[in-house]
Amino acid sequence: GQNIDQPTEMTATEGAIVQINCTYQTSGFNGLFWYQQHAGEAPTFLSYNVLDGLEEKGRFSSFLSRSKGYSYLLLKELQMKDSASYLCAVRAHTGGFKTIFGAGTRLFVKA
Amino acid sequence: DGGITQSPKYLFRKEGQNVTLSCEQNLNHDAMYWYRQDPGQGLRLIYYSQIVNDFQKGDIAEGYSVSREKKESFPLTVTSAQKNPTAFYLCASSTAGGGRAEAFFGQGTRLTVV
Repeated sequence: GQNIDQPTEMTATEGAIVQINCTYQTSGFNGLFWYQQHAGEAPTFLSYNVLDGLEEKGRFSSFLSRSKGYSYLLLKELQMKDSASYLCAVRAHTGGFKTIFGAGTRLFVKA
Repeated sequence: DGGITQSPKYLFRKEGQNVTLSCEQNLNHDAMYWYRQDPGQGLRLIYYSQIVNDFQKGDIAEGYSVSREKKESFPLTVTSAQKNPTAFYLCASSTAGGGRAEAFFGQGTRLTVV
């Protein structure tokens, strides 16, 4: 089966940098996604990693280490609108491709 | 504009009744998914389909049923066998197979049992 762990909550200050970690265990690994979800809304795609290393996209970066089953999402120059849940998701091929989500990390950005 | 549409946005159901949630996409995606989200929780996979006329159970399929008669549509029925159906239900679609198959989500249906 699959197992994905993320911290439940984090708090950071506007303008700062925050790193949200994700560890996973899965067979048939086929990529890792990060999604942002504001309360009451649908998740929206942030990033995708399938090879080891860092992917940068504006204020958001995501890192993957497949050997360690580890990823992180780095948010720079935090803004109040970044207050949301951040979901780590793993795509796996186990008799068909499916995407499994972690429980999410709620990020609170304070002034 | 291409997208994925869920309806209704809010749904109330009496105990013991079946109810069907609609999900339609015009993104030409082969794969479609249903997730359930409880307050303060992540998404749990109910059912997924990689191609028309085929679907697989996810982690919490008991008390739910689906069909995939058309590529564009993947309705979810919440049956009376589902003991705790009150939740936020999200439908998603993606390209099938490996690679960057990011999920595109509908706006969700909030189901409440009264």
